[in-house]
Amino acid sequence: QQQVKQSPQSLIVQKGGISIINCAYENTAFDYFPWYQQFPGKGPALLIAIRPDVSEKKEGRFTISFNKSAKQFSLHIMDSQPGDSATYFCAATSNDYKLSFGAGTTVTVRA
Amino acid sequence: GAGVSQSPRYKVAKRGQDVALRCDPISGHVSLFWYQQALGQGPEFLTYFQNEAQLDKSGLPSDRFSAERTGGSVSTLTIQRTQREDSAVYLCASSPWTGESSPLHFGNGTRLTVT
Repeated sequence: QQQVKQSPQSLIVQKGGISIINCAYENTAFDYFPWYQQFPGKGPALLIAIRPDVSEKKEGRFTISFNKSAKQFSLHIMDSQPGDSATYFCAATSNDYKLSFGAGTTVTVRA
Repeated sequence: GAGVSQSPRYKVAKRGQDVALRCDPISGHVSLFWYQQALGQGPEFLTYFQNEAQLDKSGLPSDRFSAERTGGSVSTLTIQRTQREDSAVYLCASSPWTGESSPLHFGNGTRLTVT
């Protein structure tokens, strides 16, 4: 069963707008939460990651917000660009290696 | 080659055939993973190697699936007597050290279609 629930399934945003993707989990043992970006025909690539002792992490135009009590975390893409059009996956792990991925969100940025 | 290389890129197999999928990880990477990605879904963990040792194979769907990693480098995922439900993209990833914060580097996958 899906250990990490991701929404929405897809979204369309205008160039310069903000894309927001949400994820929720139940397993309180999860302690590392990476986000991956995947282009068609390519493997996923690590974008940004966070641990639950931090409520927010920003890298360039990408920001993760983390709410430990709600067991939710989200990815914000600021000033979205056409090159950001891709599928984004949230993930979580409670051990050294086994990642549980969400089902993915396809982001389309319209010029 | 700076990245993880997988071959073949595409594989079409008739139901019942055996297939072998190859992964060349980044040189020196300790950890190697196989994931299965169904169409429109996120990757699902299959198995994990630390150097040559297969430490976790809990994600392999059935005993028709097996994997090995020779010399702590190249890995092969073998599927025997393929079934239509095996159709998916098989992703290999490697990482430089052990530990959850070790970044995964994925290959571009092998798309398997079972007819």
